[in-house]
Amino acid sequence: GQSLEQPSEVTAVEGAIVQINCTYQTSGFYGLSWYQQHDGGAPTFLSYNALDGLEETGRFSSFLSRSDSYGYLLLQELQMKDSASYFCAQEDDKIIFGKGTRLHILP
Amino acid sequence: DVKVTQSSRYLVKRTGEKVFLECVQDMDHENMFWYRQDPGLGLRLIYFSYDVKMKEKGDIPEGYSVSREKKERFSLILESASTNQTSMYLCASTPTGANYGYTFGSGTRLTVV
Repeated sequence: GQSLEQPSEVTAVEGAIVQINCTYQTSGFYGLSWYQQHDGGAPTFLSYNALDGLEETGRFSSFLSRSDSYGYLLLQELQMKDSASYFCAQEDDKIIFGKGTRLHILP
Repeated sequence: DVKVTQSSRYLVKRTGEKVFLECVQDMDHENMFWYRQDPGLGLRLIYFSYDVKMKEKGDIPEGYSVSREKKERFSLILESASTNQTSMYLCASTPTGANYGYTFGSGTRLTVV
């Protein structure tokens, strides 16, 4: 079945830049999405890459390379409120989520 | 704003009970989904539906069933609740076509004792 791999935890400093990687095995999907989830909250949609390349939405950017079976989420100018879990998700007829990356931000 | 409403935030049920989890969305989305979320396992798809009276099995359908009698409502049914079904259950919806992302409900934390 589909499998997406992402680091379980990442730690970064407030104001810095952090990249969360996502690798996958299954090709032929529609696109790669990213979701943010704060503790106790519901996942919220951040971005979607249907094509290879970079998509920018404010401080957040997402990248996809189908030839490398790889994508990433880039968070710039980190703020304490960005402390959350981030999930990559592969979209086909349904969405399959990675297990999530817990982002810790140090002051 | 799209709203996906799950009827209960917290639920405690006994082993063997039949449990209904309700989800309603107010934006006329065709597609609705049920996931469960467990620590270290991420979100796993239980069932989904692309239209009224339509249902498809996800990755972990065993022990669950669903009902979609109206477009806005997608119910998850635990036929005979077991302790290993203790989890956070998340409902989501999305329109067909261009990607707008999934909109999730706030979740129902179910404890089976």
